[in-house]
Amino acid sequence: GESVGLHLPTLSVQEGDNSIINCAYSNSASDYFIWYKQESGKGPQFIIDIRSNMDKRQGQRVTVLLNKTVKHLSLQIAATQPGDSAVYFCAENDNDYKLSFGAGTTVTVRA
Amino acid sequence: GAGVSQSPSNKVTEKGKDVELRCDPISGHTALYWYRQSLGQGLEFLIYFQGNSAPDKSGLPSDRFSAERTGGSVSTLTIQRTQQEDSAVYLCASSFQGAGGYEQYFGPGTRLTVT
Repeated sequence: GESVGLHLPTLSVQEGDNSIINCAYSNSASDYFIWYKQESGKGPQFIIDIRSNMDKRQGQRVTVLLNKTVKHLSLQIAATQPGDSAVYFCAENDNDYKLSFGAGTTVTVRA
Repeated sequence: GAGVSQSPSNKVTEKGKDVELRCDPISGHTALYWYRQSLGQGLEFLIYFQGNSAPDKSGLPSDRFSAERTGGSVSTLTIQRTQQEDSAVYLCASSFQGAGGYEQYFGPGTRLTVT
């Protein structure tokens, strides 16, 4: 079946370094993608989204890259801070109402 | 403004009992979603409402699960005769419209523990 997944379940990064979180998707019909951040005991929080007609989008300290050729999505966090420690999920939407989520990557920031 | 709220935040129940979980979406959001998140896992889609109608109930795990939405606002997820495998965090989300390409805003979730 089709699924959204993340390459690595955990990522440890030194404070101040840049982080890269990867995600592979398999539904070629997906045209909208979202990155969510989930802190312990909280619901997922929107970080950034991108539509399939783009290959890059930047936000505050975050950049999402989309490679439709290889169905790959990545989230880059610049100058990672302790508050960035969380589980990060990518989600895809194929122009329907349903979001499909991967299992998530746990990011731990080392002081 | 106010975000999505859910209640209770935690619920412990005995196996076989019924539970009701409540979701208050963001005002004006026509679409409402329920997801289930087991420990260390991603989000599993349960049901989607557009207004008060649920065009897709395909994610509900069994007929013990039901949900309703009234007034295009509050939604209740009911689990009858709870089982231990129902233990999870139940997340509610709402979005401006149900069509694709609209951000879903999540509530904090209800952590359900069935003993």
